[in-house]
Amino acid sequence: EIVLTQSPGTLSLSPGERATLSCRASQSVSSSYLNWHQQKPGQAPRLLIYGASSRATGIPDRFSGSGSGTDFTLTISRLEPEDFAVYYCQQYGSSPYTFGQGTKLEIK
Amino acid sequence: QVQLVESGGGLVKPGGSLRLSCAASGFTFSDYYMSWIRQAPGKGLEWVSCISSSGNTIYYADSVKGRFTISRDNAKNSLFLQMNSLRAEDTAVYYCARGRYGAYWGQGTLVTVSS
Repeated sequence: EIVLTQSPGTLSLSPGERATLSCRASQSVSSSYLNWHQQKPGQAPRLLIYGASSRATGIPDRFSGSGSGTDFTLTISRLEPEDFAVYYCQQYGSSPYTFGQGTKLEIK
Repeated sequence: QVQLVESGGGLVKPGGSLRLSCAASGFTFSDYYMSWIRQAPGKGLEWVSCISSSGNTIYYADSVKGRFTISRDNAKNSLFLQMNSLRAEDTAVYYCARGRYGAYWGQGTLVTVSS
């Protein structure tokens, strides 16, 4: 089973700042089958990034993903108030399709 | 637009059974893998199971293998999760999602396992 470790656990930033979230895998994620999902309180998650770097439909271009192998990053270039949420990485290269434990992005 | 609507959640005693359903619309259901993903109260996301478009390929998390069964009815655009031998640790919101990785998610249905 591939274990995904996200850091930091909580990130405190202000609107307008840049956010960098990390996801490290215990073994290489095949074909960069790595996603990022966003979840706001009381809502279902929604897909932000798939294939490590491709934005899902309707996702603003301030969100970008990068990385390969075992190290992946989600970057939000300039934080908007609606971006404060919990972010999860997920690998779907090999079953079981595991999630990271999440990074909570909170307003400073 | 893509819509996924889960149903069938509720309160069940440990050792009991429950069958979840997911009604899909807005896309060609028979073209896509489908998945179940759950979230225990106040916790993170846990992938549970997925099934190929034809139903011939199925994967389970170790935590549910042998107790849960995923299935689909392409004629009725529906996904199912039969949950047997339920435990307290199965208490969670269960989400239906399109694809192997959740390109689209439903709003979830709450399953509570408690005596």
